[in-house]
Amino acid sequence: GQQVMQIPQYQHVQEGEDFTTYCNSSTTLSNIQWYKQRPGGHPVFLIQLVKSGEVKKQKRLTFQFGEAKKNSSLHITATQTTDVGTYFCGSGAGSYQLTFGKGTKLSVIP
Amino acid sequence: NAGVTQTPKFQVLKTGQSMTLQCAQDMNHNSMYWYRQDPGMGLRLIYYSASEGTTDKGEVPNGYNVSRLNKREFSLRLESAAPSQTSVYFCASSYRGFYEQYFGPGTRLTVT
Repeated sequence: GQQVMQIPQYQHVQEGEDFTTYCNSSTTLSNIQWYKQRPGGHPVFLIQLVKSGEVKKQKRLTFQFGEAKKNSSLHITATQTTDVGTYFCGSGAGSYQLTFGKGTKLSVIP
Repeated sequence: NAGVTQTPKFQVLKTGQSMTLQCAQDMNHNSMYWYRQDPGMGLRLIYYSASEGTTDKGEVPNGYNVSRLNKREFSLRLESAAPSQTSVYFCASSYRGFYEQYFGPGTRLTVT
């Protein structure tokens, strides 16, 4: 797998504010996958990015893969209480060993 | 279509006891994985099976063994449980490597 660092570890936002989590690596990543884990739940796949500079959107969520394929971000516009959870990025070297970041735990204050 | 199922949901063991965590998927996926999740540590891969009949070590394999019983089932065995193995264990599957992974509901294991 490939090492990824995820920041911040925690983020508290007021409902309606935006939220961004970042995934960084010192080496070029083959791909990035993003997962969401609700409190007490299991990780659920959100999206995969493969191409340099790729941007994908899912409603209020925007995912980006850096031009150098060394970083990625997940941005949520106008957070809602349903966005609460931990967001993980994961990357693999085209292999089976997906290495996950430690996650960003998002709290939304209503 | 149940996806990925895991049993048991909760388990308490005493140090030195053994147990097997069961995992099954009904999505006809080729690859299966076992992770452990500890507070602040994210998800760490214990073992994986790229396809039926093969298994390989992940990042933290010590103290664990696995069996890919058939295409559907992938079990994780703790031969002699230790308190350091207290964790939440997730099984996952994917069509093959590089594809999105589908996770089971997890097993919360406490070793006293």
